[in-house]
Amino acid sequence: EAGVAQSPRYKIIEKRQSVAFWCNPISGHATLYWYQQILGQGPKLLIQFQNNGVVDDSQLPKDRFSAERLKGVDSTLKIQPAKLEDSAVYLCASSLVADRRYEQYFGPGTRLTVT
Amino acid sequence: GQQVMQIPQYQHVQEGEDFTTYCNSSTTLSNIQWYKQRPGGHPVFLIQLVKSGEVKKQKRLTFQFGEAKKNSSLHITATQTTDVGTYFCAGDGGSNYKLTFGKGTLLTVNP
Repeated sequence: EAGVAQSPRYKIIEKRQSVAFWCNPISGHATLYWYQQILGQGPKLLIQFQNNGVVDDSQLPKDRFSAERLKGVDSTLKIQPAKLEDSAVYLCASSLVADRRYEQYFGPGTRLTVT
Repeated sequence: GQQVMQIPQYQHVQEGEDFTTYCNSSTTLSNIQWYKQRPGGHPVFLIQLVKSGEVKKQKRLTFQFGEAKKNSSLHITATQTTDVGTYFCAGDGGSNYKLTFGKGTLLTVNP
């Protein structure tokens, strides 16, 4: 079974530039999550999709971050304009909600450095 | 909002010693999950606990969920160098399969 794919793996941009990340979840997983993980901290949920609908985006800085999941499969996360504090690893995860089990499978992440 | 706290933040042990990390939630959880993240890697699911007072074992790892479903622990017996990494607990407050992660405990093992 193929895992969660993410690209790019690394990105360096200057502040005020824009950047986009792509995620392809495990086939058949209806739920997709984007997390921000700052060095030394746990993953922080930015947005959660169920199929192509948003379930939770309460912690997404909507003035600069946006995400979409067209057709309920792939997803993109965009930052525009980037700030220095956006430097982090952006993790995509997916889960297959079945009964009461829904472990999340994480992709390798995109390490963003904003200079 | 829901908060999940983990202690200790760091733990360094000699190979063969035991290790325990503790997780506490500000609210009652419907379930709790544990993940391991190796240095430079991504979180990998270890286990999910659902029932009050539940205890589950995976070889040298023992996971417990508190009676009040607000705390949990992970205990590793006789650590090995392969146990190195950050261990995260993640709590589900009961809405929409959303997890709140703790800050994690970084375990280092001296061979």
